[in-house]
Amino acid sequence: DQQVKQNSPSLSVQEGRISILNCDYTNSMFDYFLWYKKYPAEGPTFLISISSIKDKNEDGRFTVFLNKSAKHLSLHIVPSQPGDSAVYFCAASAWTSYDKVIFGPGTSLSVIP
Amino acid sequence: DAGVTQSPTHLIKTRGQQVTLRCSPKSGHDTVSWYQQALGQGPQFIFQYYEEEERQRGNFPDRFSGHQFPNYSSELNVNALLLGDSALYLCASSLSGDRVYGYTFGSGTRLTVV
Repeated sequence: DQQVKQNSPSLSVQEGRISILNCDYTNSMFDYFLWYKKYPAEGPTFLISISSIKDKNEDGRFTVFLNKSAKHLSLHIVPSQPGDSAVYFCAASAWTSYDKVIFGPGTSLSVIP
Repeated sequence: DAGVTQSPTHLIKTRGQQVTLRCSPKSGHDTVSWYQQALGQGPQFIFQYYEEEERQRGNFPDRFSGHQFPNYSSELNVNALLLGDSALYLCASSLSGDRVYGYTFGSGTRLTVV
């Protein structure tokens, strides 16, 4: 039972354009959402998070949008850079077990120079 | 910067053997979580330790056990290894109650069971 879904295994984007990575979740108890980036041979690194009381959070080139009614969130990267090429994981936690973070399967982003 | 340290980085074990993986959390963190990441998949939650006790557990059999020490470091033990246990094992540390910044992960231990 996959509670966090990332239906696009891979995505290719031209340098300078916008990258949009999507994520869907099924557990209505989730109230905190995070994005992690992972390079080969390294552990995931935290990128940005959003609480369910918000619908948008920005940090530099990264913006996360949350649509609670659709149980959907997206990560926008503008402008995309070659160094952004990595696997991106969407993750979520519920207030009932807030330290337990559930990860999606990941989307591999390739930014083409 | 004292991030999360995991050892060893790579390990090859024979089916049926036992293995112990080690993790030192980031300075200031008190909670350690362990994840299993199979090839092409996202990290799967194994369990979490806080105040030297298992606080949360995922859908993993009792062959997977752990421990947290008073200095917050942690061990993951897997008994009676199966071929399917081959994966990258990630340790993540956090400060209990801090949801904003998420986990800090180590680089992982690559376990191969033959």
